[in-house]
Amino acid sequence: SQTIHQWPATLVQPVGSPLSLECTVEGTSNPNLYWYRQAAGRGLQLLFYSVGIGQISSEVPQNLSASRPQDRQFILSSKKLLLSDSGFYLCAWSPLAGPYNEQFFGPGTRLTVL
Amino acid sequence: AQKVTQAQTEISVVEKEDVTLDCVYETRDTTYYLFWYKQPPSGELVFLIRRNSFDEQNEISGRYSWNFQKSTSSFNFTITASQVVDSAVYFCALRGTGANNLFFGTGTRLTVIP
Repeated sequence: SQTIHQWPATLVQPVGSPLSLECTVEGTSNPNLYWYRQAAGRGLQLLFYSVGIGQISSEVPQNLSASRPQDRQFILSSKKLLLSDSGFYLCAWSPLAGPYNEQFFGPGTRLTVL
Repeated sequence: AQKVTQAQTEISVVEKEDVTLDCVYETRDTTYYLFWYKQPPSGELVFLIRRNSFDEQNEISGRYSWNFQKSTSSFNFTITASQVVDSAVYFCALRGTGANNLFFGTGTRLTVIP
């Protein structure tokens, strides 16, 4: 069976510090990978998605970047965090390209920028 | 453009009552997919159901049922005989043809009071 891991689970960082969140998927190959952010009391906003190693698409211009160094690894980074980067970050995967497969989400990372 | 509207921000019901969560969507695609996810207090999104635009047959799964009506662009979710464990935020989402991401509504927070 497939599983998706995210770490850390929670993170408190000062403004201006760097960020690295990691997501890994087990039990599948060539997944599509996604990073979403959920601000407090709001819906999910897609930040990045990837259809393969080294292939990153950005949906929203921002202070963040993503990388996919391995097939089942997806990393979200920032060089300098802003207060507005606080939120709940969710990684997701889907087994095939195209719209017909649902996305499966990881447990999330709750980031607080102070 | 894709859009999902969940007009009910918060709903409270007493245990064993039935409750319906509304979802209205907008899309220009003729082929699209609708989803419902549950987000319990732990934060992880749990996939509940997927529906494609060609299948308007309603679905029942235990205490859960879904009513898809293309004529009104709605995909409503009903929980029968609600339980405290149903307390969560529920998200409706839309994915169009060729899209790589899900468009989420802002969610409905359901509280089931014992």
